[in-house]
Amino acid sequence: TQLLEQSPQFLSIQEGENLTVYCNSSSVFSSLQWYRQEPGEGPVLLVTVVTGGEVKKLKRLTFQFGDARKDSSLHITAAQPGDTGLYLCARKLAGTYKYIFGTGTRLKVLA
Amino acid sequence: GAGVSQTPSNKVTEKGKYVELRCDPISGHTALYWYRQSLGQGPEFLIYFQGTGAADDSGLPNDRFFAVRPEGSVSTLKIQRTERGDSAVYLCASSLQGGDYEQYFGPGTRLTVT
Repeated sequence: TQLLEQSPQFLSIQEGENLTVYCNSSSVFSSLQWYRQEPGEGPVLLVTVVTGGEVKKLKRLTFQFGDARKDSSLHITAAQPGDTGLYLCARKLAGTYKYIFGTGTRLKVLA
Repeated sequence: GAGVSQTPSNKVTEKGKYVELRCDPISGHTALYWYRQSLGQGPEFLIYFQGTGAADDSGLPNDRFFAVRPEGSVSTLKIQRTERGDSAVYLCASSLQGGDYEQYFGPGTRLTVT
């Protein structure tokens, strides 16, 4: 399948807590992108991971690409209200210019 | 510099009517994408332009949907005989080139068909 499954669908946590969200597929992909989307806006690219096992950090956000390149995770340390939003993973289908997005994880961080 | 802009931001139309949604990409970006995002879902690919030509329109749901980019810059998504199921946010994105270049999204047009 070409689908990207994201979990959890919804997450509501208190400021200062840590969290991890996941993006999974049954097929291997060459690269994976993570986006954050706020209400009334389009998605904004956070990171692209390419190599199996790769870990990338963006301030309090840590992105990991699974060794088999079928899954990825996003870990947020000490979440803040500004982290609130819809987190989406996406992949480009090999040999095309077509991008497939997951259904997203809607995160709410309460002050 | 200016980002991707989309007009109108909101459009309410009656079932059966025709609508046009406009996208102004970032200047110099040759690649342009249209997506549709339904409530609670991620964006769904509709069509990809490289320059003036539609290089991949495999995501257009049926022949009521059509998009153009006549001068390789502004693009218009056209929907004929709108149906209630067409209600969604229509997102446009542009990138320097197609492929692995970063996509920059506009804020979207929220279409409501009554």
